[in-house]
Amino acid sequence: EAGVTQFPSHSVIEKGQTVTLRCDPISGHDNLYWYRRVMGKEIKFLLHFVKESKQDESGMPNNRFLAERTGGTYSTLKVQPAELEDSGVYFCASSQEGPYEQYFGPGTRLTVT
Amino acid sequence: QQQVKQSPQSLIVQKGGISIINCAYENTAFDYFPWYQQFPGKGPALLIAIRPDVSEKKEGRFTISFNKSAKQFSLHIMDSQPGDSATYFCAAWPEPENSGGSNYKLTFGKGTLLTVNP
Repeated sequence: EAGVTQFPSHSVIEKGQTVTLRCDPISGHDNLYWYRRVMGKEIKFLLHFVKESKQDESGMPNNRFLAERTGGTYSTLKVQPAELEDSGVYFCASSQEGPYEQYFGPGTRLTVT
Repeated sequence: QQQVKQSPQSLIVQKGGISIINCAYENTAFDYFPWYQQFPGKGPALLIAIRPDVSEKKEGRFTISFNKSAKQFSLHIMDSQPGDSATYFCAAWPEPENSGGSNYKLTFGKGTLLTVNP
């Protein structure tokens, strides 16, 4: 069974540019999550989808971040325009039922210069 | 404010030794406590988890000890091996603050970088 995949693995952009991160969850997992870890800090929740519906966006930093989940399959997280403080590792996770056993992808390391 | 406090930040252990990582929390609403293991270049992987109704859970060389009254839980790695070298995160669910959403979010500690020397 394929795990959670994320693309790209690394992205370096300049302040003010736009970046789109992609996540493909484990097949059959209705729950999809985005988390972020800033260097040396804890992994922080960004948002939660059930299928194509956003269930919880409480962790989204501001309106420069936009997440979508097309047809309840893959998800994208767009940052526009990017700021220096957006740098970090963005993780996607998925779970089949409930919040338990969340499987994480390898992450996208975003560097904003 | 940090909901889950993890210590130490880094830990060096000799092969065959016991690695101990501690986490503490404040809010008694937490009901599920997983530990995640992350190797460089990989995402966090669920290692072991515990609910508050038991004081200990063991899976192979990994044991979670849970102290409900002290609001603390810890991960013990027995007979630590160089292959155990990784970053370990404790986490808790559900988050006490009700955001009005699904509240499926995990609350993580800051992580512990474990190095096991051969």
